[in-house]
Amino acid sequence: KAGVTQTPRYLIKTRGQQVTLSCSPISGHRSVSWYQQTPGQGLQFLFEYFSETQRNKGNFPGRFSGRQFSNSRSEMNVSTLELGDSALYLCASSRGQGSYEQYFGPGTRLTVT
Amino acid sequence: SQQGEEDPQALSIQEGENATMNCSYKTSINNLQWYRQNSGRGLVHLILIRSNEREKHSGRLRVTLDTSKKSSSLLITASRAADTASYFCATDDDSGYALNFGKGTSLLVTP
Repeated sequence: KAGVTQTPRYLIKTRGQQVTLSCSPISGHRSVSWYQQTPGQGLQFLFEYFSETQRNKGNFPGRFSGRQFSNSRSEMNVSTLELGDSALYLCASSRGQGSYEQYFGPGTRLTVT
Repeated sequence: SQQGEEDPQALSIQEGENATMNCSYKTSINNLQWYRQNSGRGLVHLILIRSNEREKHSGRLRVTLDTSKKSSSLLITASRAADTASYFCATDDDSGYALNFGKGTSLLVTP
């Protein structure tokens, strides 16, 4: 079975721009979660989707949004980028509830200049 | 929000030695998980222990859970250089749809 894939792997953007990150879960997994990892804040939960419905959202501003498609693939979007958005964005999939064993992708490294 | 806190923050040992890292958390949980992350890459699930379990084994890994003390420990026996990584504990949040991660323990295993 193919693992979780994330595209792009690396991204450099300028302050004020917007960015869209993509995640393809493991086949058969219907739950997709997104996490932001920074040296200062560590791993922080962004949101979780199951069957195209957002079931939970972390404590992030409205500039961070996401969606899930009928094939379980997910995208997250960050608008009006700030320097502090520079981070590793990790996507994870699981069979059911978002807190069960998660299978993580390699991440997208976003650098905002 | 950070729920778990790992201790120590960094650990350096030689191959063949055992490595123990601890995790403390604040609120009641349904389960606790341990993950490994090699430098700047995705996390790999190691083991999940449910709140009604006290100990679990997987290969060279042994995890204990003490819900009365709100703490867990991960023991890696006979460490190898390939075990060099950051190790995170994670607990489920109130919704059950998210994981709260600690800041991790950075383990260095030298040959």
